[in-house]
Amino acid sequence: AQSVTQPDIHITVSEGASLELRCNYSYGATPYLFWYVQSPGQGLQLLLKYFSGDTLVQGIKGFEAEFKRSQSSFNLRKPSVHWSDAAEYFCAVGVQGAQKLVFGQGTRLTINP
Amino acid sequence: GAGVSQSPSNKVTEKGKDVELRCDPISGHTALYWYRQSLGQGLEFLIYFQGNSAPDKSGLPSDRFSAERTGGSVSTLTIQRTQQEDSAVYLCASSLLRQETQYFGPGTRLLVL
Repeated sequence: AQSVTQPDIHITVSEGASLELRCNYSYGATPYLFWYVQSPGQGLQLLLKYFSGDTLVQGIKGFEAEFKRSQSSFNLRKPSVHWSDAAEYFCAVGVQGAQKLVFGQGTRLTINP
Repeated sequence: GAGVSQSPSNKVTEKGKDVELRCDPISGHTALYWYRQSLGQGLEFLIYFQGNSAPDKSGLPSDRFSAERTGGSVSTLTIQRTQQEDSAVYLCASSLLRQETQYFGPGTRLLVL
């Protein structure tokens, strides 16, 4: 069965520091991979996606992610975080194409001033 | 342009009552999805509509849950005889085509007392 693991439930970083959020997936075919962000009381906003091609993908708000097939990973990175990045981040794999999204449990990001 | 909208934004109901949740997808999007976000289960797929095809109901947790999509646009998720474990945020998403990025609405927060 398809699954997504986000090992870190909660991460705290200082403003201006670099960030890496981990995501590992289990899926038998070529995955469609997504990162979404959710601010409190809000819906999910797409940060970036990987369908095929270049394994390093750029997203909105200065985020990027790298698909590593050998490690079944799709880690999210940002070189310098801002206080407004505090939110919950979800990694997802699209199964049956992108019909159904299977989500990880989420990583809550706190930013220290 | 307008995004996915959902109503009501919040709903409080008593155990045993029926509730209807509404989703208006982005205009022109042919695919529509419902997900549930709860503390214990994270984000779960519920149901998927694509054009005039039969919906994929594989994620519905019980026969108390049903959904319809009228005219290929607006969708209603109905929960009959609500239980306290139905308390969650119900998220709707739509996509232009079957294998495209899903865009999420703000969700309906349901509380069953």
